[in-house]
Amino acid sequence: EAQVTQNPRYLITVTGKKLTVTCSQNMNHEYMSWYRQDPGLGLRQIYYSMNVEVTDKGDVPEGYKVSRKEKRNFPLILESPSPNQTSLYFCASRLFTNISPLHFGNGTRLTVT
Amino acid sequence: DAKTTQPNSMESNEEEPVHLPCNHSTISGTDYIHWYRQLPSQGPEYVIHGLTSNVNNRMASLAIAEDRKSSTLILHRATLRDAAVYYCILRLDNYGQNFVFGPGTRLSVLP
Repeated sequence: EAQVTQNPRYLITVTGKKLTVTCSQNMNHEYMSWYRQDPGLGLRQIYYSMNVEVTDKGDVPEGYKVSRKEKRNFPLILESPSPNQTSLYFCASRLFTNISPLHFGNGTRLTVT
Repeated sequence: DAKTTQPNSMESNEEEPVHLPCNHSTISGTDYIHWYRQLPSQGPEYVIHGLTSNVNNRMASLAIAEDRKSSTLILHRATLRDAAVYYCILRLDNYGQNFVFGPGTRLSVLP
C-alpha cells in the first residue's frame, strides 16, 4: 500500500533532550516536507526536500534540522527541544511535478515539558 | 500565493448533498484550485483539483465559477465519514514548494 509512515505517533520528552521523528515513503516521491499544526495557526511548513541531498527551509525552520540521505526517508531532528515545539507534526511527500498532490502521514504528536 | 476564504463551519445531514464554498477573488490565470480534507486524528488527504472546467472524481465534484473567483466542492451524498476540515488551496502552475493551508471549513455531518 502506498503510504507515508511517521514514527512515533506520540512522543513526550523533556526540554533539551535531542529527538528524531522518522518519515518514510514507499512511492518513490522526489519531494518531501515537514509541517507542524497548531490550534489557530493551521499547517505551517518547517522544511522541505526536492530530492536526495537537497533540502531547504520552509516558513518555521528555527529549532529543527532535517536530512535526506535516501530518497524514501526524511527525518526531522530536534537537537534541543523546547516547550514551544509542542505540536502535531506531519510529514508529506509528492512527485516533483507541478500539480501532483501531497500525501500525508498520520502525524506525530510531540509534547515537550 | 493568492488568498482563499472559506466559512469556518458547516453542517449537513447524512445522505444529503453538501456544497462547500471557497472564494478566491485574487486568483491568477495560472492558479490551480486544490481541495484537501483532514479527518479527525489523521493527516490531510487530497480530494480534487481543477483549473477552469468542472471536475469529478470518485470522492467529490469541483464546480468552478466562470470568472474563477469562487469554487464549490460538492459531496453528493454526505456520510458520517465525511466529517472533516476541508481546505481550499490555490497552487501556482509551477514547481512552487509550499501548499499554504488556511483554517478551512469544519464540516459536521448529522445522522
